[in-house]
Amino acid sequence: AQKVTQAQTEISVVEKEDVTLDCVYETRDTTYYLFWYKQPPSGELVFLIRRNSFDEQNEISGRYSWNFQKSTSSFNFTITASQVVDSAVYFCALSGLIIQGAQKLVFGQGTRLTINP
Amino acid sequence: DGGITQSPKYLFRKEGQNVTLSCEQNLNHDAMYWYRQDPGQGLRLIYYSQIVNDFQKGDIAEGYSVSREKKESFPLTVTSAQKNPTAFYLCASSIVRGRIGQPQHFGDGTRLSIL
Repeated sequence: AQKVTQAQTEISVVEKEDVTLDCVYETRDTTYYLFWYKQPPSGELVFLIRRNSFDEQNEISGRYSWNFQKSTSSFNFTITASQVVDSAVYFCALSGLIIQGAQKLVFGQGTRLTINP
Repeated sequence: DGGITQSPKYLFRKEGQNVTLSCEQNLNHDAMYWYRQDPGQGLRLIYYSQIVNDFQKGDIAEGYSVSREKKESFPLTVTSAQKNPTAFYLCASSIVRGRIGQPQHFGDGTRLSIL
């Protein structure tokens, strides 16, 4: 069975601090995809990044960076120089092999990030 | 702009009543999904559909029903059999044909409460 664990339920930091959100996953699939989504107070989930199991290169996009380590089954997300607009709930998700074409995502419990001014 | 529209934003259900949540997408996506989100929890899959007139149960389908008569539309009915329907419901869609690992795109959600 697939499982995603985000052990940090809530994180609160002061603006401009760096913050790392942890994500640990379990899967028996050799091919799989990992995702991060942001859920602002408005409710919709906003796609941030996708990483496949064969690509362990870290990725940086502006103030956001992601560290994928297969050896520890982790896909952590770091925000550098955090801003108040980064306040949201962040979800890590895992997708394995396709079943009948549709893609079943398994989500972690989410981490509520609060950036205080 | 292309996107997913969910309506209504807020919905109240009386005891014994069925209610239907609307989800429409103009992204020309093949697959559509319904998720339930409870406070402090991740999203759980209710139903999903790869193609018109076909849908599959997710992890928590009991007390829910869906239809997929048009590619653009995937309404979710919360039946009276669902004893704890209070939650935030999210609809999503994704490309399917020949591509795996494509991200799902989400609507703004419907918040359902019991009267």
